Amino acid sequence: KAGVTQTPRYLIKTRGQQVTLSCSPISGHRSVSWYQQTPGQGLQFLFEYFSETQRNKGNFPGRFSGRQFSNSRSEMNVSTLELGDSALYLCASSIGLAGAYEQYFGPGTRLTVT
Amino acid sequence: SQKIEQNSEALNIQEGKTATLTCNYTNYSPAYLQWYRQDPGRGPVFLLLIRENEKEKRKERLKVTFDTTLKQSLFHITASQPADSATYLCAPDRGSTLGRLYFGRGTQLTVWP
Repeated sequence: KAGVTQTPRYLIKTRGQQVTLSCSPISGHRSVSWYQQTPGQGLQFLFEYFSETQRNKGNFPGRFSGRQFSNSRSEMNVSTLELGDSALYLCASSIGLAGAYEQYFGPGTRLTVT
Repeated sequence: SQKIEQNSEALNIQEGKTATLTCNYTNYSPAYLQWYRQDPGRGPVFLLLIRENEKEKRKERLKVTFDTTLKQSLFHITASQPADSATYLCAPDRGSTLGRLYFGRGTQLTVWP
């Protein structure tokens, strides 16, 4: 079974631009969660989608948004990029909602904002 | 608000010894608790999940305990090997049926020969 894939793997953007990251979960998984990881803050939860509905949201500004499609693939968007948005963005999929089921992480997208 | 603390940022042990990592949580009661391993530049990899009504769970050289009274989970790696060197993350859930995990900052384990 193919693992979680994320595209692109690396991205360089300028302050003020917007970016869209994509995540393809493991086949059959209905939950996709997104995380931001930085050396200073560790792994921070962004949001979780299940069957195209956002079920949980972390403490991030409205510039961070996401969606899930009917095939469970998910995208997250960051608008008006700031230098502090530079991070590794990870998505993870699970069969059910994340708490009770193991999550499978993708390799991440490394975003650099200059 | 929920708070997750892992005992130390770094733990160095000799090959063959048992590594013990600690995860403490406050201000809530998770129903599940998961442990992950993360290598530099890669996504975390799931290791074990333990439920609130389970005291202990084992998988090969790994053992996890979950003490809901102390609000603590211990993660043990027996007969540790240099290949076990990585950052280990604990992740209790939010304590309801509504999903999501809270990740600790992780403990960086180094096993030296």
